[in-house]
Amino acid sequence: AQSVTQLDSQVPVFEEAPVELRCNYSSSVSVYLFWYVQYPNQGLQLLLKYLSGSTLVKGINGFEAEFNKSQTSFHLRKPSVHISDTAEYFCAVSDRSNYQLIWGAGTKLIIKP
Amino acid sequence: DGGITQSPKYLFRKEGQNVTLSCEQNLNHDAMYWYRQDPGQGLRLIYYSQIVNDFQKGDIAEGYSVSREKKESFPLTVTSAQKNPTAFYLCASSLGLADTEQFFGPGTRLTVL
Repeated sequence: AQSVTQLDSQVPVFEEAPVELRCNYSSSVSVYLFWYVQYPNQGLQLLLKYLSGSTLVKGINGFEAEFNKSQTSFHLRKPSVHISDTAEYFCAVSDRSNYQLIWGAGTKLIIKP
Repeated sequence: DGGITQSPKYLFRKEGQNVTLSCEQNLNHDAMYWYRQDPGQGLRLIYYSQIVNDFQKGDIAEGYSVSREKKESFPLTVTSAQKNPTAFYLCASSLGLADTEQFFGPGTRLTVL
């Protein structure tokens, strides 16, 4: 069965510094990949998604992610974070055979002033 | 504006009581989902529905029930059989089960006293 691992439960970073949030998934079969963001006490919002094509995917709020099939990873990056990026970020994987989303445990991004 | 609404935002329940969480969408989506979110864990699927009058159990359906009598509405009942119901509950929808993006409501925080 598919599983998703977000390697860091929290990532502290200084404002205007770059950040990478890591995501690995277990199965190498064809998948769709997603990053969602959740601000405190709110629902989730889609940041970006990989369906096919270019392995570098650009999303909202200056985020991007790179699909690496050989390493089964889909790490999220931003070159310069802002205090408003403080949130929890979830990686999710959809197996193309059943389309259900499998979720990582989330990574809290903590921006230090 | 199209979107998903969940009510109430906060809900308190005494042990042994059933309680129903509301989820309404005006996105004309066929598929709807209920997730449970606990601290430090990813989202776990409770129930999902592809079309009206049809729904399927997710990974943690025990102690929960749903109905889908209208396309717009997918209420979740947390029964007294659910042993640890205190959690954040998220409703989502998508165009279809095979669609790649899910849209989320703002969530309901349920606390059992």
